[in-house]
Amino acid sequence: EDQVTQSPEALRLQEGESSSLNCSYTVSGLRGLFWYRQDPGKGPEFLFTLYSAGEEKEKERLKATLTKKESFLHITAPKPEDSATYLCAVRYNTDKLIFGTGTRLQVFP
Amino acid sequence: DTGVSQDPRHKITKRGQNVTFRCDPISEHNRLYWYRQTLGQGPEFLTYFQNEAQLEKSRLLSDRFSAERPKGSFSTLEIQRTEQGDSAMYLCASSHRKNEQFFGPGTRLTVL
Repeated sequence: EDQVTQSPEALRLQEGESSSLNCSYTVSGLRGLFWYRQDPGKGPEFLFTLYSAGEEKEKERLKATLTKKESFLHITAPKPEDSATYLCAVRYNTDKLIFGTGTRLQVFP
Repeated sequence: DTGVSQDPRHKITKRGQNVTFRCDPISEHNRLYWYRQTLGQGPEFLTYFQNEAQLEKSRLLSDRFSAERPKGSFSTLEIQRTEQGDSAMYLCASSHRKNEQFFGPGTRLTVL
């Protein structure tokens, strides 16, 4: 029962090459969709929370959007320091987060 | 630094031994969460506390696992009779009420 699916599993970009990461979810009664960044060997770092369809949040080169069934994390003109695993998580019936398996992003100079 | 802290950062143990991990949340955060993460997977929920009350436990949490949060401050996660399948990164997070969860650096457990 996959409730959160992220794609692609891995993404290689040239520096400056913009792209999008996808997070689709099947839960009903969404009470928040969360994006985190995780560097190897470290805990996830909070990026954004989205609560309702149509909502958008931006931070530097990252922009997160939400529809009724999926969320996108858009990366504009990425730099090598953006290389990390990006995790998506949803909260619906309780306060626990349900995570996807993440997208491993590598940005090459 | 007032973020979530975890101790130890790394733990190597032999199968059958007991281990205990500690998590100190961000001060004034009343909710504390434990997750487990294996290589290539997202974090998986184990349990969470609101103040000192344990409100939810995952069905994945066998009776070898126990967590406490005395006085609603720091929390401990104990694993008894460790098995090789317990090898993972154990993550702690805290939040203020039902807001965003902030994670600590994790404790990496290796069971030999």
